[in-house]
Amino acid sequence: NAGVTQTPKFQVLKTGQSMTLQCAQDMNHEYMSWYRQDPGMGLRLIHYSVGAGITDQGEVPNGYNVSRSTTEDFPLRLLSAAPSQTSVYFCASSFTGLGNTIYFGEGSWLTVV
Amino acid sequence: AQTVTQSQPEMSVQEAETVTLSCTYDTSESDYYLFWYKQPPSRQMILVIRQEAYKQQNATENRFSVNFQKAAKSFSLKISDSQLGDAAMYFCAYTSGTASKLTFGTGTRLQVTL
Repeated sequence: NAGVTQTPKFQVLKTGQSMTLQCAQDMNHEYMSWYRQDPGMGLRLIHYSVGAGITDQGEVPNGYNVSRSTTEDFPLRLLSAAPSQTSVYFCASSFTGLGNTIYFGEGSWLTVV
Repeated sequence: AQTVTQSQPEMSVQEAETVTLSCTYDTSESDYYLFWYKQPPSRQMILVIRQEAYKQQNATENRFSVNFQKAAKSFSLKISDSQLGDAAMYFCAYTSGTASKLTFGTGTRLQVTL
C-alpha cells in the first residue's frame, strides 16, 4: 500500500524560484491537506481540500497556492520562494468525518537560500 | 480559534518507568477529537492514541493511556513501562468538524534513559 506519497523528499531552492511539492494518495480520501513544521512549533495547516475542485486556506496560507483537480493529487506550489518558507512540509489525507484516521506522508525538507 | 498547549518542552524518563505528558486545549465546540502523535527522528507522524470528547472512558492502547478531563480541557498521555523506542517528539492535536483539520501543540521531546 502506497498510502500518502510526497515528492521530492529534499529540495534546495534559491530565493525567488518557484517549485511544486507533489502529494498523491491511493486511498480514495476526500480530504487532503498541507502542513508545515518549523523548529519549536507544531505542524501548522497551510491549505486543505475536502474534495476535487474545492480548496480552502488554513492558518498560514501566504506564499502558497494549491489546486485539486483529481481526488488523488493535491500539489502545493511556491510561486516565489522566500527563506521564511524553509521548513518541513507534510501532506495528509483522510476520509471526511469527525475522528477519521488521518494519514501523513513522510515529509518534504525544503531549504530556501 | 482553537488552541492546544503543551507546557513541557522536554521530559526524561528511565527505561521501564512511567511518564506523563501534559496537554491542555481551548475550544467552544461540544464534539471533537483529541490525538497524541509520535514523531521519531525520521519525522514520520505516527498516531499513538485518540479520544472522542463524547466518550467518558479514557482511551488506552497497550502501554499508552490518556487522562481526559473534559471540564478542565486537559488531555494527558501516560506511557507505562517506557522503552528506548519511545524516545521521540510527542504532539497533542485537536480536531472538530468534518474536514479533519488538525491544530497541534508545540510538542514535548521525550528522552528515555537506561
